[in-house]
Amino acid sequence: NAGVTQTPKFQVLKTGQSMTLQCAQDMNHEYMSWYRQDPGMGLRLIHYSVGAGITDQGEVPNGYNVSRSTTEDFPLRLLSAAPSQTSVYFCASKGSWRAGANVLTFGAGSRLTVL
Amino acid sequence: AQKVTQAQTEISVVEKEDVTLDCVYETRDTTYYLFWYKQPPSGELVFLIRRNSFDEQNEISGRYSWNFQKSTSSFNFTITASQVVDSAVYFCAMISSGSARQLTFGSGTQLTVLP
Repeated sequence: NAGVTQTPKFQVLKTGQSMTLQCAQDMNHEYMSWYRQDPGMGLRLIHYSVGAGITDQGEVPNGYNVSRSTTEDFPLRLLSAAPSQTSVYFCASKGSWRAGANVLTFGAGSRLTVL
Repeated sequence: AQKVTQAQTEISVVEKEDVTLDCVYETRDTTYYLFWYKQPPSGELVFLIRRNSFDEQNEISGRYSWNFQKSTSSFNFTITASQVVDSAVYFCAMISSGSARQLTFGSGTQLTVLP
C-alpha cells in the first residue's frame, strides 16, 4: 500500500516556467488537498477536492491550478512560476471530506525552488 | 473561520527534561477536532493525535500527553523525559464542522533536544 505519492521530490525552475506537481493515492480516498509549507507560517491550504470533478480554493490559491479527473490523481499546476512560490509542497488525502472522518495522510513533500 | 496559534516558535531543552508545547485555537463552531503532527528533520508529517470537542479527557501515550481545556481553548502537548529523537517541528491543527473541508495549521514549534 503506497499511500500518497508525490513527484518530483525536488525541482528547480526559472521564473515564468510552468510545471506540474503530481500526487497520487491508492486508498480510494474521496478528499485530496495541496498545502504549501513556508518558514514560520505552518502549512497553508492551496486547493482541495472532495471528489472526482470537484475542486475548490483554499487559503492561498493564486498562481496554482488543479484538476481531479480521477479519484486517484490530483495534480497541482504552476502556470508561470514566481520566486514567491519557492516552498515545500505537500499533498494529502483522507477517506471523506467530513470533519470527523479519518485523518489526513500526507505525501513525503516536494521541494520547489524558483529562481 | 478557525485559527490555531502556536506562540512558541522555538524551544530548546536538555535531554530528559519535560517540555510542553502550547496550542491555542479559535472557532465559533461547537463541533471541531484538534490534531498534533510531528515533522522530523527528514521532512515527513507524522500524525500523533486527534481529539474531538466533546471529549476533554486528557490522553497519555508513553512519554506523550495531551491536555485539552475548552475553557481556555487550549490543546497543549507535553513530552516527558525528552529524548534527542523528539527533536522536530510540531504542528497543532484543527478542523471544524463549519470549515469541514479545511484543516488549519498553526505555525509550528521547533523543538530541539540537546544531548
